[in-house]
Amino acid sequence: AQSVTQPDIHITVSEGASLELRCNYSYGATPYLFWYVQSPGQGLQLLLKYFSGDTLVQGIKGFEAEFKRSQSSFNLRKPSVHWSDAAEYFCAVGDGGSQGNLIFGKGTKLSVKP
Amino acid sequence: DTAVSQTPKYLVTQMGNDKSIKCEQNLGHDTMYWYKQDSKKFLKIMFSYNNKELIINETVPNRFSPKSPDKAHLNLHINSLELGDSAVYFCASSQAGTGAGELFFGEGSRLTVL
Repeated sequence: AQSVTQPDIHITVSEGASLELRCNYSYGATPYLFWYVQSPGQGLQLLLKYFSGDTLVQGIKGFEAEFKRSQSSFNLRKPSVHWSDAAEYFCAVGDGGSQGNLIFGKGTKLSVKP
Repeated sequence: DTAVSQTPKYLVTQMGNDKSIKCEQNLGHDTMYWYKQDSKKFLKIMFSYNNKELIINETVPNRFSPKSPDKAHLNLHINSLELGDSAVYFCASSQAGTGAGELFFGEGSRLTVL
């Protein structure tokens, strides 16, 4: 069965420090992978996605993620975190089919220290 | 203009009541969804719908029913509300094909059942 694991429930980093949020997936075929961000009281917004091709993908707000098939991972990174990045981050996997149904991880809450 | 809008944003009601949440998207997308986010922030798909086909997550009780008057609207009706229905319900839309999986979310409707 498809599944997504985000091992870290809550991460705190200092403003300006680098960030890496972990995501591991279980999927039988080539996965379509996504990272979404949810600010408090808001809906989710797509940060980036991987369908095929270059395994390092760039997203909005300075985020990037790297697909590693051998490790079944799709970790999200940012070189320098801003206070406005404090939010909940969700990794998701889908089959890219017409329905676009996604399986979400349980999320990682990011707190940013001044 | 808000791309995906939901009403109401907050809903407090008694057990046993029937309630509806409305959703509209102005993106011209052909697929709409309802997701449920529980108190632990876990997101799970309830329905996807695209004019031709309704896909129901088998774990969703039949007290929940989506109704789509047209392509831009997908409302959620809930009968005989139970305490466990308390959650945030998110509407989303996407475009099939290359846009599959890139979901555009509304801001959510927080349902509290007393």
